[in-house]
Amino acid sequence: GENVEQHPSTLSVQEGDSAVIKCTYSDSASNYFPWYKQELGKRPQLIIDIRSNVGEKKDQRIAVTLNKTAKHFSLHITETQPEDSAVYFCAASKYNQGGKLIFGQGTELSVKP
Amino acid sequence: DSGVTQTPKHLITATGQRVTLRCSPRSGDLSVYWYQQSLDQGLQFLIQYYNGEERAKGNILERFSAQQFPDLHSELNLSSLELGDSALYFCASSIRQGRDEKLFFGSGTQLSVL
Repeated sequence: GENVEQHPSTLSVQEGDSAVIKCTYSDSASNYFPWYKQELGKRPQLIIDIRSNVGEKKDQRIAVTLNKTAKHFSLHITETQPEDSAVYFCAASKYNQGGKLIFGQGTELSVKP
Repeated sequence: DSGVTQTPKHLITATGQRVTLRCSPRSGDLSVYWYQQSLDQGLQFLIQYYNGEERAKGNILERFSAQQFPDLHSELNLSSLELGDSALYFCASSIRQGRDEKLFFGSGTQLSVL
């Protein structure tokens, strides 16, 4: 079945540095790739998403890039702040199955002041 | 606040028991999705309902079942509970923006099976 691999599992950066989280998906039919942020004890929250016909999307300090040929996509957070500390999940789904997401295992990001 | 309401927030029960988790999607959303989050399995899709009918099924055990009622709220029933069923259960509803279906999660129900 479809699989999404996410790396690294933990990431520690200094405040102000950039953070990059990478994901690889297995099903070439996947065409929608959201990223979720989950703080401890809270619900996952959608922070950015990208479709397969777009190579890059940016929203303030966060950006996502997609390489459809290589079947991998990445989350980039610039100028990190302590409030960025959370677990980040990548996910993938197919056309018309947008809510049926296959999630990566998560990356615990720690931003040290 | 995502607008998706889940009750109860916490549930503690014993092995062999049956529980019901409840979810109300955002106003106007016809789809309800159930996900399970555990340390070993991560976030896994269980099942989707759309306007009262089952639309998609994921890694849902036969001991689990769900339904969506005419008022669009949904219930996830877990029976013959085992220790390994302890997890955070999320409900989500979706909004379609263009060709994308964006998922918004409720606050979850933390199930502890003792």
